[in-house]
Amino acid sequence: DAKTTQPPSMDCAEGRAANLPCNHSTISGNEYVYWYRQIHSQGPQYIIHGLKNNETNEMASLIITEDRKSSTLILPHATLRDTAVYYCIVGPIYNFNKFYFGSGTKLNVKP
Amino acid sequence: NAGVTQTPKFQVLKTGQSMTLQCAQDMNHEYMSWYRQDPGMGLRLIHYSVGAGITDQGEVPNGYNVSRSTTEDFPLRLLSAAPSQTSVYFCASRIDPTGNTIYFGEGSWLTVV
Repeated sequence: DAKTTQPPSMDCAEGRAANLPCNHSTISGNEYVYWYRQIHSQGPQYIIHGLKNNETNEMASLIITEDRKSSTLILPHATLRDTAVYYCIVGPIYNFNKFYFGSGTKLNVKP
Repeated sequence: NAGVTQTPKFQVLKTGQSMTLQCAQDMNHEYMSWYRQDPGMGLRLIHYSVGAGITDQGEVPNGYNVSRSTTEDFPLRLLSAAPSQTSVYFCASRIDPTGNTIYFGEGSWLTVV
């Protein structure tokens, strides 16, 4: 199973872009990259996912390197409400039990 | 549409007691699962179900039982509570194998003394 490596914490100034990196060097061909976040004391919330192309939605952008061994989640204009733990997860879309959450990155957005 | 509902939100148990954490979803999702989250750590999968009548073990199943008699409900039973089971428990659901989004409940805070 592909595992991920994320920095334990990052700081970002309010209004600036937050770039959260993730390494997944053992990712296999059928595994997607997913990002979730968990605001304190709440259940995790889906953000975005991708296979090999860059993706963008109303919340964030996901940049996946060409070799798929790493990715970056971009929050274009971070707000204080984006302070949360961000989880990068890789897993095959059809295998629900292989969806492991690691320790994530605690993003602190500061005024 | 309430999404994923967990009860109770808070519970204190004595060592050796048993209890059931309830989870219900009203989205007609086939896939449901239970995770535990210890302080400062990510979520670990306990048990999951791919449909009514079908369950399987996740990463940390010991000490827990599940059943799936209906599509809507997926209770988690602690057979004989231990202090090591003090944790926050999250129930989650997903529409089917092609669904990319997992929906989580608000969590159940369990303390075993």
